[in-house]
Amino acid sequence: SAVISQKPSRDICQRGTSLTIQCQVDSQVTMMFWYRQQPGQSLTLIATANQGSEATYESGFVIDKFPISRPNLTFSTLTVSNMSPEDSSIYLCSVAIEYNSPLHFGNGTRLTVT
Amino acid sequence: QKEVEQDPGPLSVPEGAIVSLNCTYSNSAFQYFMWYRQYSRKGPELLMYTYSSGNKEDGRFTAQVDKSSKYISLFIRDSQPSDSATYLCAMSHGSSNTGKLIFGQGTTLQVKP
Repeated sequence: SAVISQKPSRDICQRGTSLTIQCQVDSQVTMMFWYRQQPGQSLTLIATANQGSEATYESGFVIDKFPISRPNLTFSTLTVSNMSPEDSSIYLCSVAIEYNSPLHFGNGTRLTVT
Repeated sequence: QKEVEQDPGPLSVPEGAIVSLNCTYSNSAFQYFMWYRQYSRKGPELLMYTYSSGNKEDGRFTAQVDKSSKYISLFIRDSQPSDSATYLCAMSHGSSNTGKLIFGQGTTLQVKP
C-alpha cells in the first residue's frame, strides 16, 4: 500500500481565514479523494481530486468553499476557505492505487476554527 | 434513516475474548465491503476488503457479508489490548463509484488486560 503524508497534521485557525492542506503519496496512484470526519460523525466524502482538471464534488460541498488541486499522480491540496467554527473537523486524504482497489487513508489534518 | 448503521459502543471486553462487530445497511446496490481500524489521532487503516457475500479470514480477523440480510460482521479472535481502537465499516457500489465509501459511525472497542 502507498504511504500517505498530510501537512499540517493539525492547526488552529481564526474565523474568516483559509487553510491549505497538502497530501503527498510516495508512489503514483490512480485516484485521490478528500474526506471529512466531524466529531462523533462518520467519514464523509468531500470530493474526488482529478489530475489536471476540476475536482468532482459531492452533494453539499462546493468548489468555492473547498478548492482542490491535483497537479500530478502523487500530490493534491485541499483548501478550506473563509473558515467558520463549523469547519472544525478532521480532513483526510485517501488514495486508490488502481480502479476498484480499496482506499487507504492518511493520518488526517485536525483543524480547529476559533 | 442512515444508509449504514453501526452501534457506536463503547464495547469493552477482557483480553482473549472473541469480539463481534456488526453493521447493517439499507442499499442493496452495495457490492464492496470494508473494515477499517482507527487508532486515536490516526487515519483509518484498512483491515479487511471483501466483494459480495461470503467470508474472508486474515489471521485473527474474519469478515462476513450477508447480502440477503444486508448485514456485515467482523470477528476478532483472541483479542489483545492492542486491538483497542475504533472500528469502521464501509461499503461502496462498485467501479462507477470508486472512492465514494459510505461509512458507519464506528464502534469503539476496549480490550482490557
